Amino acid sequence: QKEVEQDPGPLSVPEGAIVSLNCTYSNSAFQYFMWYRQYSRKGPELLMYTYSSGNKEDGRFTAQVDKSSKYISLFIRDSQPSDSATYLCAMSVQGAQKLVFGQGTRLTINP
Amino acid sequence: DTGVSQDPRHKITKRGQNVTFRCDPISEHNRLYWYRQTLGQGPEFLTYFQNEAQLEKSRLLSDRFSAERPKGSFSTLEIQRTEQGDSAMYLCASRPGLREGSEAFFGQGTRLTVV
Repeated sequence: QKEVEQDPGPLSVPEGAIVSLNCTYSNSAFQYFMWYRQYSRKGPELLMYTYSSGNKEDGRFTAQVDKSSKYISLFIRDSQPSDSATYLCAMSVQGAQKLVFGQGTRLTINP
Repeated sequence: DTGVSQDPRHKITKRGQNVTFRCDPISEHNRLYWYRQTLGQGPEFLTYFQNEAQLEKSRLLSDRFSAERPKGSFSTLEIQRTEQGDSAMYLCASRPGLREGSEAFFGQGTRLTVV
């Protein structure tokens, strides 16, 4: 079993819809949680970063962490075609350097 | 552009050849990472440098792989005797300082194809 599980999709929604992306994890020591966006043939770009549990909002993006359920989510409001990309969740243990990534969810927003 | 820079962007090589990739991190970022990403998967950690010291290596980093960061600035990743299974995107990332939890910034990657 992988440490971080993420549904690879693909996920296709109409423009303007609310998108929900999720990851589950098995390592309870994870303390830092990130969401990256990756366009085709490009490097990952950091979208959201949270420490421990709770919510964080940045414009149309909201990240949620539920450590009791070992579950994290990214919500995208008013989705745009430019949001079409692969979304990667990533986590790290306090004191560790490496990030552990999910498989990535491929998202398409249809105009 | 002051982001993480990787060179080359694409590399096609024949099986058995050696290849070397270069990463220039964001200026003054003393932490540097290499990851590998295969098609349809998330990046997997390969190795970590703090300044010029290589402090952590993944089991994924076989004997054919070697990474250096000689002056604590740019880094190179060399793969000797390439195999078809080495075909992947090789990503470099950097982070500032030593503060835990600081953001990691990724480069655009080097896409390696072994034929």
